[in-house]
Amino acid sequence: DGGITQSPKYLFRKEGQNVTLSCEQNLNHDAMYWYRQDPGQGLRLIYYSQIVNDFQKGDIAEGYSVSREKKESFPLTVTSAQKNPTAFYLCASSTILAGDTDTQYFGPGTRLTVL
Amino acid sequence: DQQVKQNSPSLSVQEGRISILNCDYTNSMFDYFLWYKKYPAEGPTFLISISSIKDKNEDGRFTVFLNKSAKHLSLHIVPSQPGDSAVYFCAATVGSTLGRLYFGRGTQLTVWP
Repeated sequence: DGGITQSPKYLFRKEGQNVTLSCEQNLNHDAMYWYRQDPGQGLRLIYYSQIVNDFQKGDIAEGYSVSREKKESFPLTVTSAQKNPTAFYLCASSTILAGDTDTQYFGPGTRLTVL
Repeated sequence: DQQVKQNSPSLSVQEGRISILNCDYTNSMFDYFLWYKKYPAEGPTFLISISSIKDKNEDGRFTVFLNKSAKHLSLHIVPSQPGDSAVYFCAATVGSTLGRLYFGRGTQLTVWP
């Protein structure tokens, strides 16, 4: 059945290491997004991509990088430059229809803990 | 700068009664609004939405009201059930931005028996 997969559910890394979070969708959606959630905070947009091989910075892109080589995949790399990487990371996708606004569907999230 | 604000971090309601969750926004360009529900350690799930051309949208126990002049929307849940206990996020977007959502900080709803 269709959906968004994020793996792993929990991830632990040592400080100073880069880590890549996986996001895959089989909904045939054009757009994909990465959000970060911290306690007491809303969902803050890190990066988004509306089409393959193109992506834009969100509100908190510093210390993160992404790629969009395939429509189904939008991996997020948390680099050592990210000052406070411990958080819950959410991937989402949506269709983009001309003249319409579509709902974003979210994956189950990855809890990253940097030790 | 928070463009979507949920000023109540928590709300506690007895089962069977009405839950009213509020949301304010500052950007007058927003023309589509959504509510998401989120359980701990899970991704948010879409609940209900409303376009700026309407002032009310209803789906079962859930109704969203939009007051454009006040830049305010609210989610009503009637009757509230214990399974409704979750964090509710309000989100807004401008249609021309093709899906870029702006989220509030969320309201934790607790429905007690």
